[in-house]
Amino acid sequence: KNQVEQSPQSLIILEGKNCTLQCNYTVSPFSNLRWYKQDTGRGPVSLTIMTFSENTKSNGRYTATLDADTKQSSLHITASQLSDSASYICVVSPGREYGNKLVFGAGTILRVKS
Amino acid sequence: DAGVTQSPTHLIKTRGQHVTLRCSPISGHKSVSWYQQVLGQGPQFIFQYYEKEERGRGNFPDRFSARQFPNYSSELNVNALLLGDSALYLCASSLIRGGPSTDTQYFGPGTRLTVL
Repeated sequence: KNQVEQSPQSLIILEGKNCTLQCNYTVSPFSNLRWYKQDTGRGPVSLTIMTFSENTKSNGRYTATLDADTKQSSLHITASQLSDSASYICVVSPGREYGNKLVFGAGTILRVKS
Repeated sequence: DAGVTQSPTHLIKTRGQHVTLRCSPISGHKSVSWYQQVLGQGPQFIFQYYEKEERGRGNFPDRFSARQFPNYSSELNVNALLLGDSALYLCASSLIRGGPSTDTQYFGPGTRLTVL
């Protein structure tokens, strides 16, 4: 069964600190992995997209890594800000021939406090 | 350019009723996907439409149906509502269906449906 598991479920950090969120997946075949940020009550916003040949991708203070061999990804947030408080969702795509059925993780809820 | 828009933003229905949710994709995007997000969980894929045809369907009962119009906007219909249908319904648009494989889906703000 195609699954995406994220850890931790929730996280509280102080403003200015770094943190790393984890994603393990069993989706097969694999086309790409995406990290989304979702503010409460809003739609997800894409942060990074990586194919299996990419090991790392950055978007400002967000850096995602991918190990396609171990089927693991991480999202590292540097110098956190209060506005980083949100749910971070890992999403895996099995590819266009599978109807683009993205498989979503449950998300990690990050709270940044001052 | 406007992003993906959805209407209504909030909706309250009672069990057994039906509901229609609407989505307008980003201008130029031809693919629309629908997702259900129950509180505390990640979105679950319901449908994908491309060029007015259904291209993918998730594990949802036949009470859920959708369609895409010539202007690429889309409607999601849910009949015989159950309490468990209460969720945030997200619409996402992308430029073309599934390709290139890194095609990004842009999400709308969602419609919050509450079934009493």
